[in-house]
Amino acid sequence: NAGVTQTPKFQVLKTGQSMTLQCAQDMNHEYMSWYRQDPGMGLRLIHYSVGAGITDQGEVPNGYNVSRSTTEDFPLRLLSAAPSQTSVYFCASSYGGNSYEQYFGPGTRLTVT
Amino acid sequence: AQKITQTQPGMFVQEKEAVTLDCTYDTSDQSYGLFWYKQPSSGEMIFLIYQGSYDEQNATEGRYSLNFQKARKSANLVISASQLGDSAMYFCAMTLFKTIFGAGTRLFVKA
Repeated sequence: NAGVTQTPKFQVLKTGQSMTLQCAQDMNHEYMSWYRQDPGMGLRLIHYSVGAGITDQGEVPNGYNVSRSTTEDFPLRLLSAAPSQTSVYFCASSYGGNSYEQYFGPGTRLTVT
Repeated sequence: AQKITQTQPGMFVQEKEAVTLDCTYDTSDQSYGLFWYKQPSSGEMIFLIYQGSYDEQNATEGRYSLNFQKARKSANLVISASQLGDSAMYFCAMTLFKTIFGAGTRLFVKA
């Protein structure tokens, strides 16, 4: 199993540009989540999904869109990038429910200039 | 609303000693999961230990144990016999359908 994969690993955007961060998992996990981690800080939940076709907002959803058309994929779209969105983005997946740990991707380091 | 609080931004511990990392949480729900993750300087997130809200015994995984006090809403991580490789960020997390994280504690292990 590849686990949770994220592409790209690094990205530089100009203010106002849009882009999609890709996330895929091959473990047949129901739950998937996107987090951002700013320097020296914890992970903040952006959006999450409890299954294909079902998404919901997390703690910091503004400026981001998600969709979940398949169990495997959970892309994160930045609509109009801003310097405040400079961060490391982690995608995670789990079997679902409250008793299963999250499996994390390696992260995408995004810089917005 | 869910909330996780880690009040220790940084901690120092001598190699081979035990250390406790604090975590308190807030929720009005009765069923939830509590987790600890480690993030070394390389950046990956590593799952350490899990405690269910209905578990009566404290969870243990090797040198890691979770001191769960439900009435006080605390879920402290205890690392016994610290090793230099334990130097990392440690995050407490709570899952109640969605998973939220605390701000983390940076642990420094001194030789």
